[in-house]
Amino acid sequence: DTGVSQDPRHKITKRGQNVTFRCDPISEHNRLYWYRQTLGQGPEFLTYFQNEAQLEKSRLLSDRFSAERPKGSFSTLEIQRTEQGDSAMYLCASSFTPPTGSHQPQHFGDGTRLSIL
Amino acid sequence: QQQVKQSPQSLIVQKGGISIINCAYENTAFDYFPWYQQFPGKGPALLIAIRPDVSEKKEGRFTISFNKSAKQFSLHIMDSQPGDSATYFCAASIRGSNTGKLIFGQGTTLQVKP
Repeated sequence: DTGVSQDPRHKITKRGQNVTFRCDPISEHNRLYWYRQTLGQGPEFLTYFQNEAQLEKSRLLSDRFSAERPKGSFSTLEIQRTEQGDSAMYLCASSFTPPTGSHQPQHFGDGTRLSIL
Repeated sequence: QQQVKQSPQSLIVQKGGISIINCAYENTAFDYFPWYQQFPGKGPALLIAIRPDVSEKKEGRFTISFNKSAKQFSLHIMDSQPGDSATYFCAASIRGSNTGKLIFGQGTTLQVKP
């Protein structure tokens, strides 16, 4: 068990460019979450996947954002036409939820820090 | 109603002292309350969690106290050490919900002075 892995750790890009982040969850974790954390704040929920299905999206996730989890394994988060306000730490978390029963703890990766110039 | 309010924003404690961080919530449907510890440049790491059917949970030097009627819960760090210096986040979720998403407090930056 190597934990949740995120790549890249840092991304610097110019406003208007597209960026894509990758998250590899803990193996056999069926749930994958994306959160955004700005400086001095707690993480805010963006979206989550149950296996390959994206089941909920926050209002924070504008139409410039898209997330995928093909085959229920790794996930990608893409931001198109980046804006200054997109500068943040993007965190991925995973957990395992059995078919019946309550959710198990979420384990976070170390995030991707995005800086928009 | 989805908010979790955390205080204080920052805290300075002497080594060996007790650190206390408080959180309050409004949504009575919340039934899972974890605390996360975050070091600079790292993701949040689960520290300890509690469900509302118990009033206290202790793991080593970390204790959660839970007051269901007041809709408040707190983290106590006993014998605080310089290595405990980090940002602490309380969170809440509804375990039986479809999402299980976490609602985080604003965070408390703890500094333990040697």
